[in-house]
Amino acid sequence: GQQVMQIPQYQHVQEGEDFTTYCNSSTTLSNIQWYKQRPGGHPVFLIQLVKSGEVKKQKRLTFQFGEAKKNSSLHITATQTTDVGTYFCAGKTNAGKSTFGDGTTLTVKP
Amino acid sequence: DTGVSQDPRHKITKRGQNVTFRCDPISEHNRLYWYRQTLGQGPEFLTYFQNEAQLEKSRLLSDRFSAERPKGSFSTLEIQRTEQGDSAMYLCASSLVDSVYEQFFGPGTRLTVL
Repeated sequence: GQQVMQIPQYQHVQEGEDFTTYCNSSTTLSNIQWYKQRPGGHPVFLIQLVKSGEVKKQKRLTFQFGEAKKNSSLHITATQTTDVGTYFCAGKTNAGKSTFGDGTTLTVKP
Repeated sequence: DTGVSQDPRHKITKRGQNVTFRCDPISEHNRLYWYRQTLGQGPEFLTYFQNEAQLEKSRLLSDRFSAERPKGSFSTLEIQRTEQGDSAMYLCASSLVDSVYEQFFGPGTRLTVL
């Protein structure tokens, strides 16, 4: 079945440093979504990418969808302590269900 | 608060007991999903409904798990003869029917099987 892999599993950065997490799917996706889960919280939707090669920005966050629609990345510029949490990608095929990666947990040292 | 509610928030039970969880989605959302999440893992798909129809069920789900959404509104997830390996956070999410719409997650029900 479909698998979604995320790397790295953990990332520790100094406040102000950049952060990137990568997501790779074993199958072509119809779209990919990114979620953030704060410690003790539930996943919260960040963004969805649909088109091949699509790039979207939200303030300091930049999301990319690969040309083959099998990989994606999330880049945070100049991290802040409020960015801590686990970032999940979720790949969706045309079937409707989402397959989540295991996330990248970001910690930010002030 | 996303508008998705789950009850109870915590459940402690003894091995072999049955448990039932409830999810109330955002009212206009046609789709309702159930996931299981353990520490250090992403949400693992269990099943989803479109209105009252259960459209897909994970092959990982044993026969001890059953879910219903009888009127296309709230849903229940029942686990029979619980095992210690069932201990996890059970998350419910809802979305509009079109796959381009994001899922809104509830706070989850944390199950501990002793």
